[in-house]
Amino acid sequence: DAGVIQSPRHEVTEMGQEVTLRCKPISGHNSLFWYRQTMMRGLELLIYFNNNVPIDDSGMPEDRFSAKMPNASFSTLKIQPSEPRDSAVYFCAIQGTYTEAFFGQGTRLTVV
Amino acid sequence: AQSVTQLGSHVSVSEGALVLLRCNYSSSVPPYLFWYVQYPNQGLQLLLKYTTGATLVKGINGFEAEFKKSETSFHLTKPSAHMSDAAEYFCAVSDPLGAQKLVFGQGTRLTINP
Repeated sequence: DAGVIQSPRHEVTEMGQEVTLRCKPISGHNSLFWYRQTMMRGLELLIYFNNNVPIDDSGMPEDRFSAKMPNASFSTLKIQPSEPRDSAVYFCAIQGTYTEAFFGQGTRLTVV
Repeated sequence: AQSVTQLGSHVSVSEGALVLLRCNYSSSVPPYLFWYVQYPNQGLQLLLKYTTGATLVKGINGFEAEFKKSETSFHLTKPSAHMSDAAEYFCAVSDPLGAQKLVFGQGTRLTINP
């Protein structure tokens, strides 16, 4: 079964610090997506990968954000330096060809 | 470009009453359509999906949705609401011939009154 493990589940950090969010797809996908969810903006697609290659990063808000997918079983989303307005829930999701997306439980990021 | 509009950011119904959550989409090609549910502090979980074939789709927890091409709609219904249905619901569309990335609506928060 397809599935996604995200870590950490909660992260509290000080403004200016580097933050790395992790995503481990279990199986059954060829696409991986990073979303951000806030009350004000809802669900926003930040970036997605197809077969480990970044396809569309137009949703990445600024150069402070970067994402990597070194292999099919791991992806990271990094924010450096972090700012309070980056506080949100970040979701990783995977999707196979012509199938639905499966979401992880999310990482709740708070930047103080 | 594809887009999704969910009418009503908040819907409140009584327990046992009909649930109707509205979703309209815009797509230049026959779309794939999805409804996801999000419980507090959880990720999104697929309720149901339409790809091809029968336009009335049944999902988990007694929900169903009907694809109406002429109305560009994919409304979600449940005949009798249960307290456990309280959650946020998202409609999404994807282009099966293109990038297949999901485009989400803004979500509808469903409240169930005892």
